[in-house]
Amino acid sequence: AQTVTQSQPEMSVQEAETVTLSCTYDTSESDYYLFWYKQPPSRQMILVIRQEAYKQQNATENRFSVNFQKAAKSFSLKISDSQLGDAAMYFCAYRSAFRGSNYKLTFGKGTLLTVNP
Amino acid sequence: DTEVTQTPKHLVMGMTNKKSLKCEQHMGHRAMYWYKQKAKKPPELMFVYSYEKLSINESVPSRFSPECPNSSLLNLHLHALQPEDSALYLCASSQGAQGDRTDTQYFGPGTRLTVL
Repeated sequence: AQTVTQSQPEMSVQEAETVTLSCTYDTSESDYYLFWYKQPPSRQMILVIRQEAYKQQNATENRFSVNFQKAAKSFSLKISDSQLGDAAMYFCAYRSAFRGSNYKLTFGKGTLLTVNP
Repeated sequence: DTEVTQTPKHLVMGMTNKKSLKCEQHMGHRAMYWYKQKAKKPPELMFVYSYEKLSINESVPSRFSPECPNSSLLNLHLHALQPEDSALYLCASSQGAQGDRTDTQYFGPGTRLTVL
């Protein structure tokens, strides 16, 4: 079974600064997807970024980028130029690309990010 | 457009009540999901529907009864719930096409359920 570990229960960052959220995972599979979801106090889970394991290039979405280290099974999220609206719980998630997995998501426990003005 | 809508936003019910949660998407997605989320915890998968058929039931108690009337709509019928069932209930959908490696789940805003 796959596991996802987010070792930082809480993080804080000053507005306009950069912060990195850590995520490690354990799997015996070679083909999978990794996701970062953001859940602000409004509760809605919002997809931030997605990474395909067979792609070497790190995914980026505007101020959000990942550092994907497949051999180390590490998938960290970097938020540049942090904004107050970035304050949220961030969940790292794993999904097997194996068809028989029913594409279930395995979530980490989350990291609560506070952005200080 | 990646919008999944859920109604109601909030629901308070007694242990003897019967109520339903509703989820809707118009993205042509063929897979829909129910999750339960406790405060400061990750979502826990409850049910998955694929092409309007129940494909996963994560050993959820029978007081939760899902229904998928059509490809755009997903309901969760609630009956005789317990106070510990109080939580945020999230619906999600994904393209769900058979063998679609890129399948990505998009979530609705959730229903905050309180059982008295």
